[in-house]
Amino acid sequence: SQQGEEDPQALSIQEGENATMNCSYKTSINNLQWYRQNSGRGLVHLILIRSNEREKHSGRLRVTLDTSKKSSSLLITASRAADTASYFCATDAMKTSYDKVIFGPGTSLSVIP
Amino acid sequence: EPEVTQTPSHQVTQMGQEVILRCVPISNHLYFYWYRQILGQKVEFLVSFYNNEISEKSEIFDDQFSVERPDGSNFTLKIRSTKLEDSAMYFCASLWGNTGELFFGEGSRLTVL
Repeated sequence: SQQGEEDPQALSIQEGENATMNCSYKTSINNLQWYRQNSGRGLVHLILIRSNEREKHSGRLRVTLDTSKKSSSLLITASRAADTASYFCATDAMKTSYDKVIFGPGTSLSVIP
Repeated sequence: EPEVTQTPSHQVTQMGQEVILRCVPISNHLYFYWYRQILGQKVEFLVSFYNNEISEKSEIFDDQFSVERPDGSNFTLKIRSTKLEDSAMYFCASLWGNTGELFFGEGSRLTVL
């Protein structure tokens, strides 16, 4: 199986705090991506990090990738109530590339105003 | 902004009936996908489609499932004889191929009674 686990499964924080979510995977990858899903909606792409990159920033998002540990983390700084959603990491394996993009089980984030 | 559209948004069907879920991917995209999500749980890969043929499929995508791109714009998922456990949200996604970013539709909720 390509994908591992995300932790925590659920995270509840106060508005203004930082939220950190982790993702692990099993096979060598080309890219790792993070997506967000609001309840009952489709997934929205947040950020992509390539296997030769170690860190990437986009606004209040910071993603790190450690290919030696096969893990990634997503940090959301200065969280807002509107950040409440589920967050999923997704990987495409070197062997299959874009043919197979696999999602982790996700972290449910609640930001309390 | 271009988007992936899916119809119907919700379909209720009887067990054993055939169901066709429709998707219109973004027009210049090259890769097309179907994913399934049961009750807000994990987003499960079903199948990918590239160059007018299936490129990868999961163990979920058995003989009861088929995909077609009949006219160069629509991308359909057919379930031949639905089972209760097929009840889920089905998401279509497309990808251009260079950025790695998947664009998702809002999903079709399938309820099998």
